[in-house]
Amino acid sequence: GENVEQHPSTLSVQEGDSAVIKCTYSDSASNYFPWYKQELGKGPQLIIDIRSNVGEKKDQRIAVTLNKTAKHFSLHITETQPEDSAVYFCAAPPRGSQGNLIFGKGTKLSVKP
Amino acid sequence: DAGVIQSPRHEVTEMGQEVTLRCKPISGHDYLFWYRQTMMRGLELLIYFNNNVPIDDSGMPEDRFSAKMPNASFSTLKIQPSEPRDSAVYFCASSFYGGNTEAFFGQGTRLTVV
Repeated sequence: GENVEQHPSTLSVQEGDSAVIKCTYSDSASNYFPWYKQELGKGPQLIIDIRSNVGEKKDQRIAVTLNKTAKHFSLHITETQPEDSAVYFCAAPPRGSQGNLIFGKGTKLSVKP
Repeated sequence: DAGVIQSPRHEVTEMGQEVTLRCKPISGHDYLFWYRQTMMRGLELLIYFNNNVPIDDSGMPEDRFSAKMPNASFSTLKIQPSEPRDSAVYFCASSFYGGNTEAFFGQGTRLTVV
């Protein structure tokens, strides 16, 4: 089945710096790659997603890049702010099933003011 | 829409007791998911439904866990009997078209089994 690996598990940056989180997946047939943000005491919330027919997608300070050949995708946050501090999860649908998602283990991002 | 609604938000129970977690998905969503989140194992899919029918329950840890979806607006996850290792945050999520579309998560139920 699909295996999603996420790195790093923790990331600390200074306010204003950029943050990059990387994920690799195993199923070459996967075609949808979302990123979720989870704040303390809340459920994960989608912040950006990308489909396999594009290589990059941007939404203000966040962007996602996809390399299908290497089977990895990355989340980029520029000009980080303290409110970006949260746990971020990548995900991909498992082989043979388009019904659910397999999540990475998460990255705890801390933005220091 | 108020989003995915889960109840209770917190549950503390004694080992051996039955626990029932409840979920109301977003109206119109055809898929409903139950996830469990722990520090050690991260976010694990337990079971998901499509149009009220269970599609994949391979993530349900053992027979002590069961889930139902009697109609499009309600689902339950039951643990009987509960054990301390079941302590976790349980999330319900719903989506329009399954794994290729946005999943909307509820606030979660924090379960503590003592």
